[in-house]
Amino acid sequence: DTAVSQTPKYLVTQMGNDKSIKCEQNLGHDTMYWYKQDSKKFLKIMFSYNNKELIINETVPNRFSPKSPDKAHLNLHINSLELGDSAVYFCASSPGEGRDEQYFGPGTRLTVT
Amino acid sequence: QQQVKQSPQSLIVQKGGISIINCAYENTAFDYFPWYQQFPGKGPALLIAIRPDVSEKKEGRFTISFNKSAKQFSLHIMDSQPGDSATYFCAASHTLKTSYDKVIFGPGTSLSVIP
Repeated sequence: DTAVSQTPKYLVTQMGNDKSIKCEQNLGHDTMYWYKQDSKKFLKIMFSYNNKELIINETVPNRFSPKSPDKAHLNLHINSLELGDSAVYFCASSPGEGRDEQYFGPGTRLTVT
Repeated sequence: QQQVKQSPQSLIVQKGGISIINCAYENTAFDYFPWYQQFPGKGPALLIAIRPDVSEKKEGRFTISFNKSAKQFSLHIMDSQPGDSATYFCAASHTLKTSYDKVIFGPGTSLSVIP
């Protein structure tokens, strides 16, 4: 009965590789997000989708590409991974938009070596 | 102007004491101020939230105080417990011109409550 799930939980890969992180929510929410949390715990929004439509696209390298096949899923694909991409990536969902409670997934710790 | 400032960066409080975390913002368009709690290895979770039409909101041991004129808000944790040890994020949200909201998070405060 997990509300927001992410896979994998840990991802260790080498520079230059391409990897994907998957996210699914079973809450029936309309809006989903990707956040990046760096080593200092700073939490920064990367993307937001509302009903499969991209609504927020922060200044993120275009090596990062979100994909929302349906309202319940938001995946993150990262091309040509760099050392600076190492972080914890959180998926979240909310019933509507920013003024609703956001439900976060458990996070994916990405380590690029 | 999009920033939310938060202090202190870390806080150590004795069990039973009061933990106070302060936040400040510049953008007067912000109209929703949530606090999130994050335990190690977990995602953040909403703790309590306030809108600017009230100056205080209390839920159990947690209270948000809001000062609209000073553009500041704070979280008070009364009777702090070791189980409260976590990272706390204040945040602010406003409606963008495109009509979508965006949440800006503060940098976080690491709270340790010692027995």
